[in-house]
Amino acid sequence: AQSVTQLGSHVSVSEGALVLLRCNYSSSVPPYLFWYVQYPNQGLQLLLKYTTGATLVKGINGFEAEFKKSETSFHLTKPSAHMSDAAEYFCAVSPMNRDDKIIFGKGTRLHILP
Amino acid sequence: EPEVTQTPSHQVTQMGQEVILRCVPISNHLYFYWYRQILGQKVEFLVSFYNNEISEKSEIFDDQFSVERPDGSNFTLKIRSTKLEDSAMYFCASSAKRENTGELFFGEGSRLTVL
Repeated sequence: AQSVTQLGSHVSVSEGALVLLRCNYSSSVPPYLFWYVQYPNQGLQLLLKYTTGATLVKGINGFEAEFKKSETSFHLTKPSAHMSDAAEYFCAVSPMNRDDKIIFGKGTRLHILP
Repeated sequence: EPEVTQTPSHQVTQMGQEVILRCVPISNHLYFYWYRQILGQKVEFLVSFYNNEISEKSEIFDDQFSVERPDGSNFTLKIRSTKLEDSAMYFCASSAKRENTGELFFGEGSRLTVL
């Protein structure tokens, strides 16, 4: 079975500071890993995903995430936060090469301080 | 840019009433989904739908829930007799591929409040 744990339901960073949103997963088979973002009053939008290949994945708006199998982690980072990054971020996992559903974490709300 | 649209954005209903949430998926997509998010909790899978039938459903999706694609464009979620615990944000999603690859496109959600 798959599961996702996102550390911190709320994270606050200053504008221009590093953004780090933590995600750890549990999967009995190799996983696909995703980050989705939800801006206020909008739906969920795919930010980036890891399927196979390079473990450092780049997404939209300057975000990236690194798949670390040894740590079962897929943390999301951005070097310099912008006010427009304020949103809710969801990490998700799905088993590779199987038609199973995506399992989402509880989400982390990112607040950007001026 | 094509998008998934959901109506209503917010519905308030009395416990025991029937509710229908509507979704218009992206036109060339073949796979459709409903998820829900109870306030403060994770986004939970409810059901997936392909080729006019349910392909998978979660334990949450009991006999009170049903889905339908009545006219080739709308994809609806019906809750026959709402309970207080059905209060949540309901997200519709569609995909051109099976969900596993993550290429899901979500609507903005319908917030259901059951009183």
